[in-house]
Amino acid sequence: DADVTQTPRNRITKTGKRIMLECSQTKGHDRMYWYRQDPGLGLRLIYYSFDVKDINKGEISDGYSVSRQAQAKFSLSLESAIPNQTALYFCATSGWVGNTIYFGEGSWLTVV
Amino acid sequence: GESVGLHLPTLSVQEGDNSIINCAYSNSASDYFIWYKQESGKGPQFIIDIRSNMDKRQGQRVTVLLNKTVKHLSLQIAATQPGDSAVYFCAENPASGATNKLIFGTGTLLAVQP
Repeated sequence: DADVTQTPRNRITKTGKRIMLECSQTKGHDRMYWYRQDPGLGLRLIYYSFDVKDINKGEISDGYSVSRQAQAKFSLSLESAIPNQTALYFCATSGWVGNTIYFGEGSWLTVV
Repeated sequence: GESVGLHLPTLSVQEGDNSIINCAYSNSASDYFIWYKQESGKGPQFIIDIRSNMDKRQGQRVTVLLNKTVKHLSLQIAATQPGDSAVYFCAENPASGATNKLIFGTGTLLAVQP
């Protein structure tokens, strides 16, 4: 089983709809992240959380929100999806400072 | 501003040859660097990392070299195999101590020819 699990793996949704991507991890890490990947732009940080009570915006947080329901769970929501949010989304986790960031398998989201 | 970039977007090598993937970074304060491998349809996988107090680190068939003078990072893969075909990202941690907010390069596609 994967250490970082994302659901759904693929989703097609319509413009204006609310969509939630869920992430759970079994690594016991405190820190969790949501990234977006677009061709030619690399990975960009949307939101991150260093513990259950901590939520921080990344470089591209507009149009997104997150919820850290537990140490092991971190969800990403698009309240009103728009086509330019079509992308591959990755959840990730890490331990303390300087430790490696571990990624999930990704969630393909298409907004039509 | 801070940036992490790659010199070559695509690298084609013959099976069995050595591969070298390069990366330039702009933040001289970055203290931690990672190489990731991303296969088609999968998430990035950790390959090897290096801290700024080191110049070289070796793993299994991979070596990372760090040249702080010219702010350059490279990944060397020995005896490249078809399974090494993937996109390779470098990443830097520009903040010393407090965060894991990595900055990623755009990636280099490594294509291994049989």
